[in-house]
Amino acid sequence: EIVLTQSPGTLSLSPGERATLSCRASQSVSSSYLAWYQHKPGQAPRLLIYDVSNRATGIPDRFSGSGSGTDFTLTISRLEPEDFAVYYCQQYGSPLLTFGPGTKVDIK
Amino acid sequence: EVQLVESGGGLVQPGGSLRLSCAASGFTFNNYAMTWVRQAAGKGLEWVSSISGSGGGTYYADSVKGRFTISRDNSKNTLYLQMNRLRAEDTAVYYCAKVVSYYYARHFDYWGQGTLVTVSS
Repeated sequence: EIVLTQSPGTLSLSPGERATLSCRASQSVSSSYLAWYQHKPGQAPRLLIYDVSNRATGIPDRFSGSGSGTDFTLTISRLEPEDFAVYYCQQYGSPLLTFGPGTKVDIK
Repeated sequence: EVQLVESGGGLVQPGGSLRLSCAASGFTFNNYAMTWVRQAAGKGLEWVSSISGSGGGTYYADSVKGRFTISRDNSKNTLYLQMNRLRAEDTAVYYCAKVVSYYYARHFDYWGQGTLVTVSS
């Protein structure tokens, strides 16, 4: 099983600031099969990024993904009020799909 | 518009059973794999199980293998999760999600709102 570790656990920032979220895998993620989701309380999770760097339909370009192998990054270039949420990475390159523990982005 | 609506959650005693359903609309159901993901209170997302578009392939997390069974009825556009021998640690909100392809091991582009399962005496 590929274990995903996300850091930091919580990121306290102000609107307009840049957010950089990290996701590290215990082994190389096959075929760059890594996604990022945004989750707000009481709502369905929302796909942001798939295959490391591809934005999902309707996702604003302030969200970007990068990385390879075992180290991946989600960047939000300028935080909007609606971006404060929990963000999860997920790998689907191995038969047992796994999520990271999440990074909470909250308002400073 | 893609819609996924879960139902069937509730309170069940340890060792009991429950069947969750997920009614899908807005896409050609049998062309896509489907998946269940859960979230315990205060915890992160956990993949539970997936099923291929035809239903011929099923996949489970180790934590539920042998106790949960995923299935689908493509004539009814409905996904199921039969949960047996439930434990307190199965208490969570259960989400169904649509996989972007026929094969299960891809990302999930649409999610339902979830249904709460509570295992307690």
